Amino acid sequence: DTAVSQTPKYLVTQMGNDKSIKCEQNLGHDTMYWYKQDSKKFLKIMFSYNNKELIINETVPNRFSPKSPDKAHLNLHINSLELGDSAVYFCASSQDRGGEQYFGPGTRLTVT
Amino acid sequence: DAKTTQPPSMDCAEGRAANLPCNHSTISGNEYVYWYRQIHSQGPQYIIHGLKNNETNEMASLIITEDRKSSTLILPHATLRDTAVYYCIVREPTGNQFYFGTGTSLTVIP
Repeated sequence: DTAVSQTPKYLVTQMGNDKSIKCEQNLGHDTMYWYKQDSKKFLKIMFSYNNKELIINETVPNRFSPKSPDKAHLNLHINSLELGDSAVYFCASSQDRGGEQYFGPGTRLTVT
Repeated sequence: DAKTTQPPSMDCAEGRAANLPCNHSTISGNEYVYWYRQIHSQGPQYIIHGLKNNETNEMASLIITEDRKSSTLILPHATLRDTAVYYCIVREPTGNQFYFGTGTSLTVIP
């Protein structure tokens, strides 16, 4: 079974639309993360949740809203998509706030 | 943000040991050294981490200098599947964030 899974793998949408990316981990971890990797391959953290509580919120437009219905899921909702949102989004999880992180396969978002 | 310096690229012959260096001269006493790699288009993969002592697992060995200002990741017998970008990261044990720099692009040559 995949430890950290994301859906969809690819997402192509038009500017102005609202979309969601789902993430699930079956590792029993307490902490989950969202990262963004842009076209220059820089990988940067966006959000972190620990036991469903937001603990990191980097400088990210408020069009991005994470939602954690339970410890195993951390979804990313994006409103009013812009061209600059095109990137690969990775979900990750760790046992606790200090542990090594395990990443999902990524979701490639293309905004046209 | 990144506190480490790595060469941008390296080549290694298949079957030989790949030695990837990392400088972290400003590392604090409680910060660990982590290594991750990212194979093309996949999510980053945890490799190994350490504080002071050398560490070894089924994937690699981590050699940390006595002053802890630099380290080397060793892949003992590189294969073509080890071609990837390797990231060296320092982080406090309670820190939430991994700051991924630009890493080292390792190419294993047949």
